[in-house]
Amino acid sequence: DAGVIQSPRHEVTEMGQEVTLRCKPISGHDYLFWYRQTMMRGLELLIYFNNNVPIDDSGMPEDRFSAKMPNASFSTLKIQPSEPRDSAVYFCASSFRTSSEAFFGQGTRLTVV
Amino acid sequence: KQEVTQIPAALSVPEGENLVLNCSFTDSAIYNLQWFRQDPGKGLTSLLLIQSSQREQTSGRLNASLDKSSGRSTLYIAASQPGDSATYLCAVTAYSGAGSYQLTFGKGTKLSVIP
Repeated sequence: DAGVIQSPRHEVTEMGQEVTLRCKPISGHDYLFWYRQTMMRGLELLIYFNNNVPIDDSGMPEDRFSAKMPNASFSTLKIQPSEPRDSAVYFCASSFRTSSEAFFGQGTRLTVV
Repeated sequence: KQEVTQIPAALSVPEGENLVLNCSFTDSAIYNLQWFRQDPGKGLTSLLLIQSSQREQTSGRLNASLDKSSGRSTLYIAASQPGDSATYLCAVTAYSGAGSYQLTFGKGTKLSVIP
């Protein structure tokens, strides 16, 4: 397996634009996580899915953020409209079970200007 | 709310030295603890996973210990090499209520191994 795959690797967008980040988890993993990493706050959990169902979205900062998982092999994180304070590295991770090792993608570095 | 602390925030050692990185967590009701490595501009790589019932895990030159009752874990790196230079993050999995589990991260220790 190629691991967790995220796209794009880098995204630069203007304030107010819609941004969509994509993730393909490892095949067979039932859990998918979206994290945001900043220098100030470190890694923060935004939302996670179990068997394509959102379980905990309490970390999603605002209504501007939304996430979907239409099937077991694909998830998106959307920001609409984007703001400069959304600039961060966004990571997707997957695991087989809650108690299993989590595998991370390479991340998407988002810059909102 | 679970909080994970890693001290020190940065550490610089000469090559060949053995070193210990520290991690503490506030709520001992955890399912597991993971140590990750993050290289600049890269994702996280899982190094070791310790289940709550275990006391330690070893992989090569790495040894991680877990003392759940005191809320502490250490990552021991033997005979450090320049290639070990990276940020090391500790994370705990715990139940956060309403059928939800969370992996909570520390802010990491940035390790520099000087040749």
